[in-house]
Amino acid sequence: GAVVSQHPSWVICKSGTSVKIECRSLDFQATTMFWYRQFPKQSLMLMATSNEGSKATYEQGVEKDKFLINHASLTLSTLTVTSAHPEDSSFYICSARGEINQPQHFGDGTRLSIL
Amino acid sequence: DAKTTQPPSMDCAEGRAANLPCNHSTISGNEYVYWYRQIHSQGPQYIIHGLKNNETNEMASLIITEDRKSSTLILPHATLRDTAVYYCIVRVAGGNKLVFGAGTILRVKS
Repeated sequence: GAVVSQHPSWVICKSGTSVKIECRSLDFQATTMFWYRQFPKQSLMLMATSNEGSKATYEQGVEKDKFLINHASLTLSTLTVTSAHPEDSSFYICSARGEINQPQHFGDGTRLSIL
Repeated sequence: DAKTTQPPSMDCAEGRAANLPCNHSTISGNEYVYWYRQIHSQGPQYIIHGLKNNETNEMASLIITEDRKSSTLILPHATLRDTAVYYCIVRVAGGNKLVFGAGTILRVKS
């Protein structure tokens, strides 16, 4: 089945630092990738959608200058949380999709803790 | 995309079939029904999807009513590893977003 790899799986860092999370589709070309955030005991919330080679589309309330998304190739998207603060601590999950009517496949998530 | 309604939780005995219902009474003709599950501290796992015909794969079966206003995900022989939150999502054909609701917490018990 389709495999999406996300790295790192967890990260702890100090307030004010920037953190980059990578999302790779290992066995298919991902024309579209998605970034979600999940707080404890809540459901996944879509943050942004990115298509290869174009700017990401952010959901309402998500700061594009805070959460930088780059989707430079058909197999890699990155999310950079800039100047992270404790309230940015969350579980960040990416997903990727090939053809438009194919299902999205998810990575295993990155648990981000900002001290 | 159409809203879905699922029971908050269900229990199932190990080895028995788990039948998870989902209501999507406002579904449009071009919207697919997707099922995902999320095991604790992992990303969601795709299970199955369908438009109007019943579907089966190695993981589960999806039964969609004739009027398409509801569906049931069937795990034929539940195991303890099937304990997870199950999400029923409808998405328009060609659409991007998967909007996750609260899902159903399925607890498989020995």
